[in-house]
This record gives sequence, C-alpha cells and structure tokens, in this order.
Amino acid sequence: AQTVTQSQPEMSVQEAETVTLSCTYDTSESDYYLFWYKQPPSRQMILVIRQEAYKQQNATENRFSVNFQKAAKSFSLKISDSQLGDAAMYFCAYYDSNYQLIWGAGTKLIIKP
Amino acid sequence: DAMVIQNPRYQVTQFGKPVTLSCSQTLNHNVMYWYQQKSSQAPKLLFHYYDKDFNNEADTPDNFQSRRPNTSFCFLDIRSPGLGDAAMYLCATSEGGRSYGYTFGSGTRLTVV
Repeated sequence: AQTVTQSQPEMSVQEAETVTLSCTYDTSESDYYLFWYKQPPSRQMILVIRQEAYKQQNATENRFSVNFQKAAKSFSLKISDSQLGDAAMYFCAYYDSNYQLIWGAGTKLIIKP
Repeated sequence: DAMVIQNPRYQVTQFGKPVTLSCSQTLNHNVMYWYQQKSSQAPKLLFHYYDKDFNNEADTPDNFQSRRPNTSFCFLDIRSPGLGDAAMYLCATSEGGRSYGYTFGSGTRLTVV
C-alpha cells in the first residue's frame, strides 16, 4: 500500500523569503500523480500544484515549484517570495490507481511579517 | 463558475439527533467523496461514489450513511451524532481520471452539543 510522509509538522518563514516543504512517499507503481494541496484556516482545500510521475520536468506554478526525485520517492514543494496569504496547512497527496488520494499528515506553514 | 457547494457552512446539532449535510456540484464529475477532517489533521475518507456505485471505507462507522440521488447531489447522513463526530466534513469531486486530482467544497463544520 502507498504511504505519504510529511516529516515537518510546522515550518515558519520570513515574508519574501523562500521555504521548502518536504514530502516522501512509498509506492510500487511506476505511473502515478502527486499533488500539493493548501488549506488556509477555515477555508477551502485548493490544489497548488500537480506532478505526473512519468514527466521528468519539475512542475511550476508561479511562485510554487516542486523538486520531484522519482528514484528517491521525494516530492518537495518550494514557495518563493513567501506572502502572508501563503499561511496555511499544506498537504502532500498521492493519487492511487483506485482514484483515491493518500494524504500526508500536513505541514503548517507560518509566515512571519 | 463550476464548483462544489456544501451546505450549510456551519451546522450545530444535538447529541443523538440525526443530521444531514449536503453537497452539490456543477462540474459533472463522475466521482464524489465525503471526508471527515479533525483539526489540523489530514482528511479521512468516509465514502465515495463512482457514478452510482457506492464505496464504503472499511473503518467508516455504521452511524454514517450516504446518498447520491443524481450526478449533481450527494448527502451525508449522521444517524446519531456523538461528541466525537464533531469535525469538518469535506465533499470533493473528481473526473475519475487520475490527472487532475480533486475539487473540494468549502466544507461543513459540524458541532455536536
């Protein structure tokens, strides 16, 4: 069975700085999808970025990018130029072959003004 | 805009009094999910529907039921809410393919008094 591990329960970063959130996963599948979701306090869970495992190129969405290391089963999220609105819980998730998301425990990101 | 809508946003119910949470979608997605999320934890899958096919997670309590009368609507029924059922309930949809992940509603926060 697939598992997803986020080893950082909480991270903090100064506004305008760069922060990296870690995620590792375990799977025997060769083709899969990985996601980072953001959940601000009392607000909707939204998709930040997705990565297809068969694509070697790392996904990028504006200030958000990933470092996808397939052999190491690592999928970290880099947030550049951190803004106050980036404060949220960030969940790493693996999309399995049964169309279900396997979730990491989440990382709480604090932005210091 | 196409979206997933959950009503109500906040629900207070009495201990043991049946309650129903609703979810509707305008995305025409095949798959709908109900998650329970307790504070700062990852969402826990309760059920999902692939079209009309109902799938119950093995550890979902019998106290929780679900209905999907048509593609657009899905309901979560809690027959006899206990204090431990107080949580955020998230509805999500997906196209059934693996590439785009889920679209989430804003959630219903359930309080049991």
